[in-house]
Amino acid sequence: DTGVSQDPRHKITKRGQNVTFRCDPISEHNRLYWYRQTLGQGPEFLTYFQNEAQLEKSRLLSDRFSAERPKGSFSTLEIQRTEQGDSAMYLCASSLGGLAVKNEQFFGPGTRLTVL
Amino acid sequence: KQEVTQIPAALSVPEGENLVLNCSFTDSAIYNLQWFRQDPGKGLTSLLLIQSSQREQTSGRLNASLDKSSGRSTLYIAASQPGDSATYLCAVRPAYGGSQGNLIFGKGTKLSVKP
Repeated sequence: DTGVSQDPRHKITKRGQNVTFRCDPISEHNRLYWYRQTLGQGPEFLTYFQNEAQLEKSRLLSDRFSAERPKGSFSTLEIQRTEQGDSAMYLCASSLGGLAVKNEQFFGPGTRLTVL
Repeated sequence: KQEVTQIPAALSVPEGENLVLNCSFTDSAIYNLQWFRQDPGKGLTSLLLIQSSQREQTSGRLNASLDKSSGRSTLYIAASQPGDSATYLCAVRPAYGGSQGNLIFGKGTKLSVKP
């Protein structure tokens, strides 16, 4: 499968615990994005990487959230001291960015987080 | 601030009907617009991408149009089928400030096609 993959697909945790999600983008894509989606809403942008550099962060990304893309390939999103309000679907997307390209974003299946 | 609105929020049609989903955005400064499909509990599937310089894109039974100056896009689905039942999301990529490519989404239109 050459699409975007995410792991785990589902995560249930207790309030106050730390969780980490992984995203593997399409192999030749240099851009990687994280979004969060709650029920009945469209996805909201969290952060964006070009290669290994984190170039943009949303105000939604509080100091409990951290994302990395150490080698410009896979990315991790960590949430520390989880709260019930963090319960959502976390979506990863990747694209081939640069001049004269469409920069079409392709999404993974998402990680569903439930905080009890 | 860019805002994306999709109307209607939900739509139910009989199989075989042609239908139009609407998307509007408040700031015409965009690089492109993407339409996605989302099945319940799943990720997003990209359907069509229209560059800001284009007027429309077609893929099979789907046709998307873009009128950037008026801040509108439509997704036309011909001869709808029960398998088309899903939520359809519209998203724009802003062309301003330091934004490097994040998409701004509408809340979606939930489509149900009855056999």
